[in-house]
Amino acid sequence: DAGVIQSPRHEVTEMGQEVTLRCKPISGHDYLFWYRQTMMRGLELLIYFNNNVPIDDSGMPEDRFSAKMPNASFSTLKIQPSEPRDSAVYFCASKRGISTGELFFGEGSRLTVL
Amino acid sequence: DQQVKQNSPSLSVQEGRISILNCDYTNSMFDYFLWYKKYPAEGPTFLISISSIKDKNEDGRFTVFLNKSAKHLSLHIVPSQPGDSAVYFCAASAVTGYALNFGKGTSLLVTP
Repeated sequence: DAGVIQSPRHEVTEMGQEVTLRCKPISGHDYLFWYRQTMMRGLELLIYFNNNVPIDDSGMPEDRFSAKMPNASFSTLKIQPSEPRDSAVYFCASKRGISTGELFFGEGSRLTVL
Repeated sequence: DQQVKQNSPSLSVQEGRISILNCDYTNSMFDYFLWYKKYPAEGPTFLISISSIKDKNEDGRFTVFLNKSAKHLSLHIVPSQPGDSAVYFCAASAVTGYALNFGKGTSLLVTP
């Protein structure tokens, strides 16, 4: 079975540019999560969706960040405009159901904003 | 505000010895706890979990202990192997929540 698929794996961009990260969750999973990993804050939750509907976006740093899930098999995280402090590894994860079962993570997208 | 804390950024252990990784939490609503393992350039992968109704869960070389009164859990790896070298994240969730709160991680190095 295919796992969570993220693209791009690496992105280097200049400050002020728009960045779009993509995620394909595991088929049949109805929860999708976006996390960000930094040295200072570790793994922090940005936003999560249930059945394509955003449930909690309180972790989104500011209005420059937005996320969408137009269908059950695709989600995007957009940063516009990007800033150097956005440099981090962004992970997408998915799970099935409301049980407290584990999340399945993608390999992450490493973003560097110069 | 970090609700899950891993106060040791790194730990070095000799092969064959026990590795003990610690985690503290502040939210008394948390009732399910997990440990994830992460290798460089990969996503975190689930390792072991424990429900708040238990105080111990064992899976092969890995055992997680939960002390609810102290709001503390620990992961024991016995015996440690070089392949266990990775970053270990502690995570917790509340019965009413579906997202996991993660600690900052502890980097474990197992030396031959």
